[in-house]
Amino acid sequence: DVKVTQSSRYLVKRTGEKVFLECVQDMDHENMFWYRQDPGLGLRLIYFSYDVKMKEKGDIPEGYSVSREKKERFSLILESASTNQTSMYLCASSLSQGAYEQYFGPGTRLTVT
Amino acid sequence: TQLLEQSPQFLSIQEGENLTVYCNSSSVFSSLQWYRQEPGEGPVLLVTVVTGGEVKKLKRLTFQFGDARKDSSLHITAAQPGDTGLYLCAGAERMRFGAGTRLTVKP
Repeated sequence: DVKVTQSSRYLVKRTGEKVFLECVQDMDHENMFWYRQDPGLGLRLIYFSYDVKMKEKGDIPEGYSVSREKKERFSLILESASTNQTSMYLCASSLSQGAYEQYFGPGTRLTVT
Repeated sequence: TQLLEQSPQFLSIQEGENLTVYCNSSSVFSSLQWYRQEPGEGPVLLVTVVTGGEVKKLKRLTFQFGDARKDSSLHITAAQPGDTGLYLCAGAERMRFGAGTRLTVKP
């Protein structure tokens, strides 16, 4: 079974802090994704990556950056956290380009105060 | 931009009832996925539909992909409390998700 793990289930940070969310997958998937999920808005794609050191902007990249130094690890960085970034953050992976089935981690609920 | 519209947004039914939820789009997708998400967890893939008009069955769940590959439906027969969750559809290529249908099945 594919396993996607996220570094924290719950996180509380203060406005202006730099925040790192880590995601690791153990099935040698090429693609990795970061979404945020807000009530009534569904999942919105922040960034994705098809390969190591490669990244592509999703629909809402503003205020975020990502890093993929190793194939199994995809990090989401909030450079200066703001209250409107309070959300559920979900990481996912999929096998390769053209493989649209995604496997999700349990999510990190981030609160910025 | 929300390319996938799901309806209804909320649905609360009694155990044993049947239900259908819908996923509609103005865009054509090469495939469409359905996921179920339980509280505090990430979405879990249920099925992928690929061919227009395709029908797939997963025990009491029946998924249909529209002929034009712009819409899909999920029908649950004899719903059980274990079916409770948020049902999400997602279109391929653009990795867009609908907002979901939150289903509650009461014992």
